[in-house]
Amino acid sequence: DAGVIQSPRHEVTEMGQEVTLRCKPISGHDYLFWYRQTMMRGLELLIYFNNNVPIDDSGMPEDRFSAKMPNASFSTLKIQPSEPRDSAVYFCASSLGQNKETQYFGPGTRLLVL
Amino acid sequence: GQQLNQSPQSMFIQEGEDVSMNCTSSSIFNTWLWYKQDPGEGPVLLIALYKAGELTSNGRLTAQFGITRKDSFLNISASIPSDVGIYFCAGQLYGNKLVFGAGTILRVKS
Repeated sequence: DAGVIQSPRHEVTEMGQEVTLRCKPISGHDYLFWYRQTMMRGLELLIYFNNNVPIDDSGMPEDRFSAKMPNASFSTLKIQPSEPRDSAVYFCASSLGQNKETQYFGPGTRLLVL
Repeated sequence: GQQLNQSPQSMFIQEGEDVSMNCTSSSIFNTWLWYKQDPGEGPVLLIALYKAGELTSNGRLTAQFGITRKDSFLNISASIPSDVGIYFCAGQLYGNKLVFGAGTILRVKS
């Protein structure tokens, strides 16, 4: 079975540009999570959805970040405008309601903002 | 915010040795999880613990949910080169949010 799929795997962009990261959760999972990983701060939860509805976005750093989940099989995390300090690895994870705490991670998108 | 203290930060051991790492928190957790992250990949779930005092094994890995619900440990027996990576503990506070430790970097010398 396919795991969580993320695209692109790598993104290099210039400061001020819009960046869109994509995620396809494991089929049937009803929870989707976006994380950011940096050396300084480790793994941080940005936002999570349940049944396509955003439940907690308290980890989203600022208004430049937004996330959507238009359907059960697709989510996006957008940064507009991007800044060098946004450079990090962004992970998407999904889980199934019955064992919602056991989250399965995608391979991540490595973002570099110049 | 809530924090997990994970130790040690790194380990460099000889192949065949046993490894032990742990996480502690000032808060009580409902669930403890242990993940491994290989270079360039996302964290992969190794073991999930749901009850205080629970001891669970997965091959050469053994993990325990502390009786106080504020700590957990992970042991790896007879380490092999492919055990190299970063190990993270994670605790579930409430709802579906996980808090992650800073990670333990494991290097194995063959």
